[in-house]
Amino acid sequence: GAVVSQHPSWVICKSGTSVKIECRSLDFQATTMFWYRQFPKQSLMLMATSNEGSKATYEQGVEKDKFLINHASLTLSTLTVTSAHPEDSSFYICSAEFGDEQYFGPGTRLTVT
Amino acid sequence: QKEVEQDPGPLSVPEGAIVSLNCTYSNSAFQYFMWYRQYSRKGPELLMYTYSSGNKEDGRFTAQVDKSSKYISLFIRDSQPSDSATYLCAMSAGMDSSYKLIFGSGTRLLVRP
Repeated sequence: GAVVSQHPSWVICKSGTSVKIECRSLDFQATTMFWYRQFPKQSLMLMATSNEGSKATYEQGVEKDKFLINHASLTLSTLTVTSAHPEDSSFYICSAEFGDEQYFGPGTRLTVT
Repeated sequence: QKEVEQDPGPLSVPEGAIVSLNCTYSNSAFQYFMWYRQYSRKGPELLMYTYSSGNKEDGRFTAQVDKSSKYISLFIRDSQPSDSATYLCAMSAGMDSSYKLIFGSGTRLLVRP
């Protein structure tokens, strides 16, 4: 139980385009989901906390207009990277809260060329 | 100073060895401590979760917390090649979604057959 999926697992896009990443809780409902970014050999850094039906809470230094988060249902949150640039290339991981734990998705590797 | 410090490794050990992974932290408000395992290009998977100081054992894994020294450890007995992964410590001041999980940078472990 408590499985979280992400789609796509890997995406390459051109600079200036937008990319949408989906995070789904497959066998449970999650009021709260989290989005993290992980650069190579570095830790997971929380970008934002997403609550179903309300606006996301962004961490300091994360641009709200660049990283659009929508948590439209109890099983789906999306992260849209708008006007992507090469420096946005990273591993994006979501997690969903179930009980006292966060269950992580498998991650999405974004490469912006 | 980072809130959570973790030696990045890599740590290379022969199969069957006892592995010791450690993290130190500076924020005395942290009360919950977790260890995650992350295989390459995958999301983190929760291994152990502890609250109080002392030891907690689960199979080959033992988590140890020393709040007075702000030091946590994960021991792996009889290490196997399949244990080769990056191990991330994480901690928070509380267990609901209003408390952020703060991750260490991860220690890469290689268990040689």
